[in-house]
Amino acid sequence: GQNIDQPTEMTATEGAIVQINCTYQTSGFNGLFWYQQHAGEAPTFLSYNVLDGLEEKGRFSSFLSRSKGYSYLLLKELQMKDSASYLCAAYSGGYNKLIFGAGTRLAVHP
Amino acid sequence: EPEVTQTPSHQVTQMGQEVILRCVPISNHLYFYWYRQILGQKVEFLVSFYNNEISEKSEIFDDQFSVERPDGSNFTLKIRSTKLEDSAMYFCASRTGSGANVLTFGAGSRLTVL
Repeated sequence: GQNIDQPTEMTATEGAIVQINCTYQTSGFNGLFWYQQHAGEAPTFLSYNVLDGLEEKGRFSSFLSRSKGYSYLLLKELQMKDSASYLCAAYSGGYNKLIFGAGTRLAVHP
Repeated sequence: EPEVTQTPSHQVTQMGQEVILRCVPISNHLYFYWYRQILGQKVEFLVSFYNNEISEKSEIFDDQFSVERPDGSNFTLKIRSTKLEDSAMYFCASRTGSGANVLTFGAGSRLTVL
């Protein structure tokens, strides 16, 4: 089967660090993606992991453990504009279908 | 930066009417997708398209849905007889077919069925 799980909601304070976790089960793993989606807008690509370890991209980093079926997105120096949903996604069975988790809605407070 | 373009941005239709949503993928992309997001719910895969045919479709993509790439630039999603439950945001996406295979999404078409 295929399943992607992530927490529904998180809150954090401006300037802080937050970690959003994701666990996945897919057939034919071809990489784990993180997208950001502001309300009413399209998902926009943040990061991608295909090998185990940490990928750093400015304030955002993403980690993958293939053996554990686990990834996290780390957001540093949070800003108010980071308030959005963060979607964990993985291809299932080749590259014909990118499956999304339900998303984690992050609220950043002053 | 190249982008995926979708029209219309918002369409209101009566139940039972046909709707066509249009997409212009990024020009050098080879793989095309439609996704749906009902308000407050997850982004759901509908269909993928490559080399002028459907690669894969979900259970949602039943006989009332069809896709077409009529002229080498446009990629359309047709809903033959709309139902109330078809009200959603429909996203078109595309990718090159190489590298990380990142999907680039259009801004979406919001469909409201009355």
